[in-house]
Amino acid sequence: AQSVTQPDIHITVSEGASLELRCNYSYGATPYLFWYVQSPGQGLQLLLKYFSGDTLVQGIKGFEAEFKRSQSSFNLRKPSVHWSDAAEYFCAASGGSNYKLTFGKGTLLTVNP
Amino acid sequence: EADIYQTPRYLVIGTGKKITLECSQTMGHDKMYWYQQDPGMELHLIHYSYGVNSTEKGDLSSESTVSRIRTEHFPLTLESARPSHTSQYLCASSESSGRYEQYFGPGTRLTVT
Repeated sequence: AQSVTQPDIHITVSEGASLELRCNYSYGATPYLFWYVQSPGQGLQLLLKYFSGDTLVQGIKGFEAEFKRSQSSFNLRKPSVHWSDAAEYFCAASGGSNYKLTFGKGTLLTVNP
Repeated sequence: EADIYQTPRYLVIGTGKKITLECSQTMGHDKMYWYQQDPGMELHLIHYSYGVNSTEKGDLSSESTVSRIRTEHFPLTLESARPSHTSQYLCASSESSGRYEQYFGPGTRLTVT
């Protein structure tokens, strides 16, 4: 069965520190991969996406993610976190003829001043 | 920038009432989706549509129903609201061209008393 795993439920970092959020997928073939961010009480905003090609993907708000086929991972990174980055982050995958997205359970990011 | 709208944003209603949550998109997307999300929890797909007059149930069983009479409009209806329906409902849409990313509306937070 297709699945997306975000191992960290909650991460706390200090403002200005670097950030890495983990995401692992289990799919029959290489899926299309996405990271979304959700602020409290809001919908989801697409941060970045990977379809093919360069395995390092740049997104909005200074985020990037690296696709590693050998590890079935698509980790999200940011070199210096800002207080406004505090939110819930969801990794998602889709593939084949199925247009549906499979979401991870999310990682809550807290940023300390 | 994606244009997908949901109304109302917040709704508090008594048990037994019929409610309709509205979702509209101006992007001409064929595919639309409804997700249910409890606070701090993962997203669950409850309905989706691949075009006009096409609706399917999602991965999570729901007592709600949907219709798709126009491409841009995908309303969700609860015939008789119950406290167990209290949740956030997120609407999304995506293109038909093979790109899988979904664009989300701001959500409707429903409270049934």
